[in-house]
Amino acid sequence: NAGVTQTPKFRVLKTGQSMTLLCAQDMNHEYMYWYRQDPGMGLRLIHYSVGEGTTAKGEVPDGYNVSRLKKQNFLLGLESAAPSQTSVYFCASRELAASYNEQFFGPGTRLTVL
Amino acid sequence: TQLLEQSPQFLSIQEGENLTVYCNSSSVFSSLQWYRQEPGEGPVLLVTVVTGGEVKKLKRLTFQFGDARKDSSLHITAAQPGDTGLYLCAGFQTGANNLFFGTGTRLTVIP
Repeated sequence: NAGVTQTPKFRVLKTGQSMTLLCAQDMNHEYMYWYRQDPGMGLRLIHYSVGEGTTAKGEVPDGYNVSRLKKQNFLLGLESAAPSQTSVYFCASRELAASYNEQFFGPGTRLTVL
Repeated sequence: TQLLEQSPQFLSIQEGENLTVYCNSSSVFSSLQWYRQEPGEGPVLLVTVVTGGEVKKLKRLTFQFGDARKDSSLHITAAQPGDTGLYLCAGFQTGANNLFFGTGTRLTVIP
């Protein structure tokens, strides 16, 4: 039982390049989330999904797209990377029945955009 | 909009000392969670408090939810180097699909 996994762990991009971050969970959770973490700002929600085939915008969605084609996977895409997207990205999941939205996090992807 | 403010932002103490971290908001939450994040890893849930005035203890860690459910505190007794990490509070509002995370407190315990 691996929990929540993220690939890649590190990535360096040049401005304008594109990439996809993959999140996978093996806990059969309905909800999945993508956050970014920047110094002094805690975790900010980018996009989330309440089930397979659904996605919704969070607090900071601009410049990102997501897809949830399979229940266990949640993809985060950057079509044209910008230096402002340099950050650590975390994926999280929770089960439908979680009373208070307790979330399980992956280990993160550290992205640098030059 | 940052709903939850944590203080202090940084804290460096000697092993054996006590400390308190605060999480404050002007909004009411139906529950408040505390997570700890170690370097290079994702946050891990420590506790959830759900009732105004509730106190929960986890070994040397004591968590309290404010009576009005707008604030919370984390008290660590006799801190150890293993307590080093980033502590995040997160609030949940009934009907919402996501958590609202605080700004974080980075704790360093010096041996």
